[in-house]
Amino acid sequence: GNSVTQMEGPVTLSEEAFLTINCTYTATGYPSLFWYVQYPGEGLQLLLKATKADDKGSNKGFEATYRKETTSFHLEKGSVQVSDSAVYFCALFSGGYNKLIFGAGTRLAVHP
Amino acid sequence: DAGVIQSPRHEVTEMGQEVTLRCKPISGHNSLFWYRQTMMRGLELLIYFNNNVPIDDSGMPEDRFSAKMPNASFSTLKIQPSEPRDSAVYFCASSLRREGGNEQFFGPGTRLTVL
Repeated sequence: GNSVTQMEGPVTLSEEAFLTINCTYTATGYPSLFWYVQYPGEGLQLLLKATKADDKGSNKGFEATYRKETTSFHLEKGSVQVSDSAVYFCALFSGGYNKLIFGAGTRLAVHP
Repeated sequence: DAGVIQSPRHEVTEMGQEVTLRCKPISGHNSLFWYRQTMMRGLELLIYFNNNVPIDDSGMPEDRFSAKMPNASFSTLKIQPSEPRDSAVYFCASSLRREGGNEQFFGPGTRLTVL
């Protein structure tokens, strides 16, 4: 079945450090891929998405490239801020079931 | 436009009591999802509806849980009787089903504590 695997957290970084959160997926066909972010005390919100191979999603300085050959969608940011501290979820949408399959989430803590 | 609205935001109840959580999806959306989030189990999909019809309730933990969507603008998740292990944050999300992937819009959640 379809599944998403994320690197375990927490990830702890200093401000202005480079961020990578790994995400790989298993799915039939060509799923759309998403990154959601959850700030403390809030619901999840869409950060970025990519709908086909080699697409790059970007938002708020975050980027992720849909790599079909490695079935990956790693999240990156060149310089993190304290305000980026949150839980990040990778997800896929496989169309037929009209629902998102979420990874376990990766907690990011950024210190000044 | 208002986002997904959930009520109450916080609920504290005693074991054995009935709990009803409410959700108003974004107007025009035709899919609605109920999730539960805990530290131990993470984010779990409980049930989802398309056009007010329950499509997949395989995530509902047991018969104590039930969900309804009487119309396109309202859904409830009921727990009867509640137990301490039901303590969690419950999220409702809605989306518009379309090609290319559905962005789900999440509500702020209801934090449930069962004593």
